[in-house]
Amino acid sequence: IAGITQAPTSQILAAGRRMTLRCTQDMRHNAMYWYRQDLGLGLRLIHYSNTAGTTGKGEVPDGYSVSRANTDDFPLTLASAVPSQTSVYFCASSVSPGNSPLHFGNGTRLTVT
Amino acid sequence: AQRVTQPEKLLSVFKGAPVELKCNYSYSGSPELFWYVQYSRQRLQLLLRHISRESIKGFTADLNKGETSFHLKKPFAQEEDSAMYYCALNTQGGSEKLVFGKGTKLTVNP
Repeated sequence: IAGITQAPTSQILAAGRRMTLRCTQDMRHNAMYWYRQDLGLGLRLIHYSNTAGTTGKGEVPDGYSVSRANTDDFPLTLASAVPSQTSVYFCASSVSPGNSPLHFGNGTRLTVT
Repeated sequence: AQRVTQPEKLLSVFKGAPVELKCNYSYSGSPELFWYVQYSRQRLQLLLRHISRESIKGFTADLNKGETSFHLKKPFAQEEDSAMYYCALNTQGGSEKLVFGKGTKLTVNP
């Protein structure tokens, strides 16, 4: 079934380590997003990409970086993980950056110790 | 600044009872509003959007610009409606400005 694939499903990471969360979509959507979901805080946008080759900062970008080398892939990198980055990370995509609905991946549960 | 407020973190009702999940927004322009739902162990998915003016799984939501609200309603709740519900606001300028509320966890008891 077409959609968004995230990997890994879950990860325990030592503080200070580098980690890349993978996200791939096969719907040829132009726009992609990374959100983190935290209890009591809801979903917060980390970074987004309106089209391949462009990225932008969301609400909580510090400590994270992204790249969009092609349409399908949108990896999220934590250069040096800290415990406050413990969260569930969701990748999403939409046909266009306009008001088209978001399609979400299954999420990656990350624990930074 | 754009903001979405869902005042209830938790909402519990009995099967067959009416349910209303509240959502208020703050935005000076013309809003685009959505409800997303996350069932247990499933991914977030779009439930409905205000421009569609449709009913999905018995749920409806009407945009009230005067009260800046987009409450989600269902006349008779079912156990399978138990989930996390997020209200989201898309402001002009693209989906990068899609702002989510903090979510309401709905539990429908038998």
